[in-house]
Amino acid sequence: DIQMTQSPSSLSASVGDRVTITCRASQSINNYLNWYQQKPGKAPKLLIYAASSLQSGVPSRFTGSGSGTDFTLTISSLQPEDFATYYCQQSYSTPRTFGQGTKVEIK
Amino acid sequence: EVRLVESGGGLSQPGGSLRLACAASGLTVTSNYMTWVRQAPGKGLEWVSVIYSGGSTYYADSVKGRFTISRDNSKNTVYVQMNSLRAEDTAVYYCATDHPSRGAFDIWGQGTMVTVSS
Repeated sequence: DIQMTQSPSSLSASVGDRVTITCRASQSINNYLNWYQQKPGKAPKLLIYAASSLQSGVPSRFTGSGSGTDFTLTISSLQPEDFATYYCQQSYSTPRTFGQGTKVEIK
Repeated sequence: EVRLVESGGGLSQPGGSLRLACAASGLTVTSNYMTWVRQAPGKGLEWVSVIYSGGSTYYADSVKGRFTISRDNSKNTVYVQMNSLRAEDTAVYYCATDHPSRGAFDIWGQGTMVTVSS
């Protein structure tokens, strides 16, 4: 199975900050990498697919980049509604493994 | 409107069984890859199982041999039959579509809670 490792596990940031979350795969997954946002008590929401494609309806302040084994999710200017937990997930092979999550909290 | 609605969660004793259902509207389950993802309390997301449009099925090692995914075309519903339940199966179970070209879970249900406890 492909292992996905996110860093950091949590971070504190202020509204307006630029935030970057990284995700590393245990082997090359080309660009088969997706990012999700999850708020407490809610289902996850797809933000980015295929490493850098923005899902319809997702604000442009979210960008994804990377290929191979190293990926990043960047929020250019953190908004109050962005405080949540973010997960990466590989879709290169089955089982579809997730990272452990990054909780973005208010500073 | 595309919608997935899970049902069937509840309390089971260890060793017991439950069947979860995912009713779809606005999409056809036979034309989509339908997947189950779970989340234990306070933990991260874990992929559980998928049924592809062609009918092939796959499972996480943690549930292989105990869970069975299926679908009822007439009801446009996907199921997961969960047998020999263990305490570690306690989680919110989400149904989602696995977009065939994007390779991402783009539509999610609201989830249903399964608790395995004596």
